[in-house]
Amino acid sequence: GESVGLHLPTLSVQEGDNSIINCAYSNSASDYFIWYKQESGKGPQFIIDIRSNMDKRQGQRVTVLLNKTVKHLSLQIAATQPGDSAVYFCAERFPPGEGSARQLTFGSGTQLTVLP
Amino acid sequence: ETGVTQTPRHLVMGMTNKKSLKCEQHLGHNAMYWYKQSAKKPLELMFVYSLEERVENNSVPSRFSPECPNSSHLFLHLHTLQPEDSALYLCASSLFAGPTEQFFGPGTRLTVL
Repeated sequence: GESVGLHLPTLSVQEGDNSIINCAYSNSASDYFIWYKQESGKGPQFIIDIRSNMDKRQGQRVTVLLNKTVKHLSLQIAATQPGDSAVYFCAERFPPGEGSARQLTFGSGTQLTVLP
Repeated sequence: ETGVTQTPRHLVMGMTNKKSLKCEQHLGHNAMYWYKQSAKKPLELMFVYSLEERVENNSVPSRFSPECPNSSHLFLHLHTLQPEDSALYLCASSLFAGPTEQFFGPGTRLTVL
């Protein structure tokens, strides 16, 4: 299944399926991006990051894709498990000299629910 | 779990109270952050400290006062808060204040009556 940022804040997938969570970022010159996972009652947990000079990066069961042309970031989770149920946030870092240059700006998140 | 601890985990206070939130990181990081997380809203950066010096203050009301006595500890002093300040307050740290992973604490759930 897929979700698109604020327009689809929830995503439900069957256990074992692949999940795709999308994020539209705001600044075409942002140079660094992170995906976080936040489980209920816990703080955000780092999943994977990517710099703007890359278009793909893989981790364990997760892949982040960056499309700078359309300012789009996606997180792919392979073989989704019940423990993957959480809210997923993307964050971007504005380039130096623009506003909060060293800080991350977060999206509002997507709730992923894994169905048995 | 992440090496960042926050106390208390839950806090209920009246609008005339004064309280403080505490954050401690055991990771040897040089940058620490306070974020506010309200329901259905993105994380809002409040304060950033790098090497114990405040480098960012995102127009936060003066009823929130941060303190960073050393690189391992960060406080958020609260006074005369409003009900709309009720939220989850998250502390984070990173190796440096730049394009790198931030490690978050579990947060303090604050309720202002």
